[in-house]
Amino acid sequence: GIQVEQSPPDLILQEGANSTLRCNFSDSVNNLQWFHQNPWGQLINLFYIPSGTKQNGRLSATTVATERYSLLYISSSQTTDSGVYFCAVEAGSSYKLIFGSGTRLLVRP
Amino acid sequence: ETGVTQSPTHLIKTRGQQVTLRCSSQSGHNTVSWYQQALGQGPQFIFQYYREEENGRGNFPPRFSGLQFPNYSSELNVNALELDDSALYLCASSLGQGISAFFGQGTRLTVV
Repeated sequence: GIQVEQSPPDLILQEGANSTLRCNFSDSVNNLQWFHQNPWGQLINLFYIPSGTKQNGRLSATTVATERYSLLYISSSQTTDSGVYFCAVEAGSSYKLIFGSGTRLLVRP
Repeated sequence: ETGVTQSPTHLIKTRGQQVTLRCSSQSGHNTVSWYQQALGQGPQFIFQYYREEENGRGNFPPRFSGLQFPNYSSELNVNALELDDSALYLCASSLGQGISAFFGQGTRLTVV
């Protein structure tokens, strides 16, 4: 089945810094989503982005489907950005989201 | 506010018992999926329901079962609980395949 790899696994930033999180996937996808999991466990939708570029405030994402990767950019990070960021894909005729192992982000004040 | 609500938020059960978790999907969403997230890992797909029929299943034993009701809400039932069933159980709703899924806040199950 399709493999989803995220990097880096852990990231520590000072408040105000920028960061780039990467998601590689091993096959073509028809759905790719980025989520932020807060300390209470809720998965918050950030982007639905099977291809192209989107921006939402300080966050933006780019998926290059032909090269099988997606990037999540966080600019001017804040302590509330801390948590785990997951990339998840849906491929072919599959009906399930396959998650990467996540990037654990800690933003220090 | 995603509109997907799960109950209860926390639950403690004894090994061998049975548990039922509930999920109300976002308004208009006809597809509900359940995921299990063990500590420190990404969510793993359990199964999906589409218009009250099971639409696919992950690598979970038959003691994990589910239902979807006419209003598209759903239940996850787990029989003969084992210690390894301790996890965060997440419900997601969507309008179907290839469409953005929205998650509830999860039910944290502890089996002792």
